[in-house]
Amino acid sequence: QSALTQPASVSGSPGQSITISCTGTSSDVGSYNYVSWYQQHPGKAPKMMIYDVSNRPSGVSNRFSGSKSGNTASLTISGLQAEDEADYYCCSYTSNNTRYVFGTGTKVTVL
Amino acid sequence: QMQLQESGPGLVKPSQTLSLTCTVSGGSISSGSYYWAWIRQHPGKGLEWIGYIYSSGSTYYTPSLKSRVIMSVDTSKNQFSLKLSSVTAADTAVYYCAREIVATGLGTFDIWGQGTLVAVSS
Repeated sequence: QSALTQPASVSGSPGQSITISCTGTSSDVGSYNYVSWYQQHPGKAPKMMIYDVSNRPSGVSNRFSGSKSGNTASLTISGLQAEDEADYYCCSYTSNNTRYVFGTGTKVTVL
Repeated sequence: QMQLQESGPGLVKPSQTLSLTCTVSGGSISSGSYYWAWIRQHPGKGLEWIGYIYSSGSTYYTPSLKSRVIMSVDTSKNQFSLKLSSVTAADTAVYYCAREIVATGLGTFDIWGQGTLVAVSS
């Protein structure tokens, strides 16, 4: 099972919007609405930002939103802030017996 | 608010068994609403789901590690554990325990431990 494909890095200026893509296959992203997104600051544990493609957990800023089209899921961060600088990982359920597959990770830089 | 905390040796010799425990506080591990998962992250790399255990003791392991993994749960201590046998340098990673919500779909890892680095070296 190969990892989901994410861009290695995405950057933006404060206040701008950025979008991180997460490309899988018809065995995972394309067939199930079980895509979640995690934010990870250096040396810290991941934090769930989005689940089931577009749902935000309580306490997560509404600047974070998720969507999906075909085999690609996306995380959009609007009104970019310095605190958003971190690594982001997508995760999808897969019909392969690995059950879950994570993305390759994207480093977000706030310019 | 529930919290998870990993504990165990930070250094394991090759061919030996890695053993980690995750202690759950602020709630009961016996709740049927959650799976209790282990996820690892190789240095500078992405995340890898290892498997989960349910409070009943039922388990699901990722196939690539299935032959070497055993997970268990101790409801009296509110803990669950990971054993990974015959380790090699490729098993060097930060190991996280995490809670997965059963009701909200799949892959909803909403609470994580802080992670513990395990190095495999002689």
